[in-house]
Amino acid sequence: NAGVTQTPKFRVLKTGQSMTLLCAQDMNHEYMYWYRQDPGMGLRLIHYSVGEGTTAKGEVPDGYNVSRLKKQNFLLGLESAAPSQTSVYFCASRETSGAFYNEQFFGPGTRLTVL
Amino acid sequence: RKEVEQDPGPFNVPEGATVAFNCTYSNSASQSFFWYRQDCRKEPKLLMSVYSSGNEDGRFTAQLNRASQYISLLIRDSKLSDSATYLCVVTEAGNKLTFGGGTRVLVKP
Repeated sequence: NAGVTQTPKFRVLKTGQSMTLLCAQDMNHEYMYWYRQDPGMGLRLIHYSVGEGTTAKGEVPDGYNVSRLKKQNFLLGLESAAPSQTSVYFCASRETSGAFYNEQFFGPGTRLTVL
Repeated sequence: RKEVEQDPGPFNVPEGATVAFNCTYSNSASQSFFWYRQDCRKEPKLLMSVYSSGNEDGRFTAQLNRASQYISLLIRDSKLSDSATYLCVVTEAGNKLTFGGGTRVLVKP
């Protein structure tokens, strides 16, 4: 199993350009997440999904959109990139079975620079 | 005040020594607690869950103090390979999960 994969691994954008980050998981997990990580800030939740066809806002959703058309894929879109969106983006997924909060599995990250 | 706070470090630790650090959380209703490890330029990976009674996994010991609202991680007999950033993670009702900013540990020969 590949686990959680992300494409692309690196990207440089100019201000105002758009792009889509793709996250794919082969573990049949219901929940998927998009985070951004900035120095000293920890991981902050952008959007998440509790199942195919559903999405919800996280802590820092402004400037981003998401879609979950297939269970295994979770897309993060930037419609008009800004320098403040320069960051490392991580996707994660987890199971929902059981009462205990299950481990989140992370993808390798996408390093995005907006000039 | 941040919801989950950690000393960013770095904690410079001689190889073979013991190091311990804490993570404080602000919401008394927090439900689950975890330590994740993140190597430089890599993704976070679960190190261990933190149980109410405390738990140990090899050289790693995690403790939870609900009264004072903090969790701790202790690493015994530190190895060079323990050098990493350790992220504290706290969950609340409704599946809200909050990460701390991380504590950087550098183990030196």
